[in-house]
Amino acid sequence: DAGVIQSPRHEVTEMGQEVTLRCKPISGHNSLFWYRQTMMRGLELLIYFNNNVPIDDSGMPEDRFSAKMPNASFSTLKIQPSEPRDSAVYFCASSFSPASGGRETQYFGPGTRLLVL
Amino acid sequence: ELKVEQNPLFLSMQEEKNYTIYCNYSTTSDRLYWYRQDPGKSLESLFVLLSNGAVKQEGRLMASLDTKARLSTLHITAAVHDLSATYFCAVDSFSGGGADGLTFGKGTHLIIQP
Repeated sequence: DAGVIQSPRHEVTEMGQEVTLRCKPISGHNSLFWYRQTMMRGLELLIYFNNNVPIDDSGMPEDRFSAKMPNASFSTLKIQPSEPRDSAVYFCASSFSPASGGRETQYFGPGTRLLVL
Repeated sequence: ELKVEQNPLFLSMQEEKNYTIYCNYSTTSDRLYWYRQDPGKSLESLFVLLSNGAVKQEGRLMASLDTKARLSTLHITAAVHDLSATYFCAVDSFSGGGADGLTFGKGTHLIIQP
């Protein structure tokens, strides 16, 4: 199993530019999560999807951030326009949620290190 | 708002010693997760605790959950250098449906010295 795949692994861009981060969840997982990690704020949940449907986007910082999950094997997180304060490591995670309920662990991807100059 | 507090935030200890990391959370939940993160790396799942009184052990690490006290502990037995890392606890928000996003503590930065 390849695990959660994220691309790019590193991104350096200038303020005002559009940034798109990509995530491929583990095959068979039906929940996908986007988190952001910074020294100041720690790990924060941005948005998550169950069965490709966005459930809670209350963690998205502002309208400059948007996320989509067009199918079960792909999600994007877009920042437009980017600002220096968006610099962080962005993690994608996935898990399997059985229809009967219950919880399983979330598996994290390697992360995308974003630097906005 | 769900809050998760870990202590200590920094811990330097010697090999072969025992220590405990504490994780308190502010709302009713019976699902708690422990992760490990090495510098510059991703998060690795250690334990998932899904009920009151749950105890799980892997090698020198043992985690437990007391939902009544809203407290989880991660106990390290006879520490070795390889356990140096940052340890996070996390709680899910439990909407009653499918999976939920996690709220993380600030992490405990653990250094184990020879």
